[in-house]
Amino acid sequence: DTEVTQTPKHLVMGMTNKKSLKCEQHMGHRAMYWYKQKAKKPPELMFVYSYEKLSINESVPSRFSPECPNSSLLNLHLHALQPEDSALYLCASSRLVENEQFFGPGTRLTVL
Amino acid sequence: QKEVEQNSGPLSVPEGAIASLNCTYSDRGSQSFFWYRQYSGKSPELIMSIYSNGDKEDGRFTAQLNKASQYVSLLIRDSQPSDSATYLCALRDNYGQNFVFGPGTRLSVLP
Repeated sequence: DTEVTQTPKHLVMGMTNKKSLKCEQHMGHRAMYWYKQKAKKPPELMFVYSYEKLSINESVPSRFSPECPNSSLLNLHLHALQPEDSALYLCASSRLVENEQFFGPGTRLTVL
Repeated sequence: QKEVEQNSGPLSVPEGAIASLNCTYSDRGSQSFFWYRQYSGKSPELIMSIYSNGDKEDGRFTAQLNKASQYVSLLIRDSQPSDSATYLCALRDNYGQNFVFGPGTRLSVLP
């Protein structure tokens, strides 16, 4: 198994909803990442989880919160999002934080 | 100055030609460089990684790195219409944690 999986593929939510995005990899990678990508823009790093330590991009608002239940799973909890949070959310993993990253298919999020 | 710069394009080349994609970066301490291909509505797909000065070839793709000039490029030989996509240059910064993408170059290969 050499892929990163993400669920759901699409998500539509209201501004008062709470939802979660899930990401899983079975490659034995030690680092996992969440990115946000707006149309015609490059991915922007949100969070890095490596060696059981979470690193946060300081510009990411607190309505996004990551959770790493184990070394293969990385969830992203969403609460009280804004319409401008609508984007493609990408999960990636790498063997170590120094290595190339492999991306999942993404979750297309729409906030109404 | 932006960390990673790319010509946004679109870069149009005829089928069978060589497509040349360029990327410059500002952090002299950057050690690792990557090229990703992204089709519209899809996630980025790794094409090449390069860590040392010089050329690295993989099939129709050649990555070139010149750390002194802070320049990395991707050549695509025998371009095919299926190569039409946005190509993202990425690097790992000197601190090892941040993975920074350039804005991407849109390539169009004309049949």
